[in-house]
Amino acid sequence: GAVVSQHPSWVICKSGTSVKIECRSLDFQATTMFWYRQFPKQSLMLMATSNEGSKATYEQGVEKDKFLINHASLTLSTLTVTSAHPEDSSFYICSASKGGVYNEQFFGPGTRLTVL
Amino acid sequence: AQSVSQHNHHVILSEAASLELGCNYSYGGTVNLFWYVQYPGQHLQLLLKYFSGDPLVKGIKGFEAEFIKSKFSFNLRKPSVQWSDTAEYFCAVKGGNTPLVFGKGTRLSVIA
Repeated sequence: GAVVSQHPSWVICKSGTSVKIECRSLDFQATTMFWYRQFPKQSLMLMATSNEGSKATYEQGVEKDKFLINHASLTLSTLTVTSAHPEDSSFYICSASKGGVYNEQFFGPGTRLTVL
Repeated sequence: AQSVSQHNHHVILSEAASLELGCNYSYGGTVNLFWYVQYPGQHLQLLLKYFSGDPLVKGIKGFEAEFIKSKFSFNLRKPSVQWSDTAEYFCAVKGGNTPLVFGKGTRLSVIA
């Protein structure tokens, strides 16, 4: 159990367009979902934390108007990169937590975004 | 806020050599500790985790880690590495209700 999927796995878009990435918990209800960004050969940097039905909490330095997060249900969170630019090109990874005492996070396979 | 430090950026070992990757964290309270592995082109996988109890934790694929509270450390070990262990290894810390914070990662290259 505890499988997290992401769609799409990779996307190429033109500068100025918006891209939506989906994160789904397939076999459990995720009270909390997290969005990370990973630049080549670097670690994962937390972008935001979202709880189902409430606004996401963004980390310092992350533009909330640029990276729109919607956690509409206990199994789905979306990240929309608005007006994407080449510097937004990165690997975006989501994770989901069942909540409770252990709060372990289960990671999705990631989405590679390339903005031309 | 917690932080995680991984001492080694890139480690190169021959097959059958022993491995130890360092991880230190800073956080004042109770922590949960994790090691994740990312094989080339694949997503993060959990190797092992520590929540409480025996500070020596055994994970998958022969890996283990020891939590030393006095040193704020959670080093990863494997007695004999294989070529298939070539990957990026991330130490991560979770304090209280805060999200996971990752170290910068250590790239392990195992040569035949």
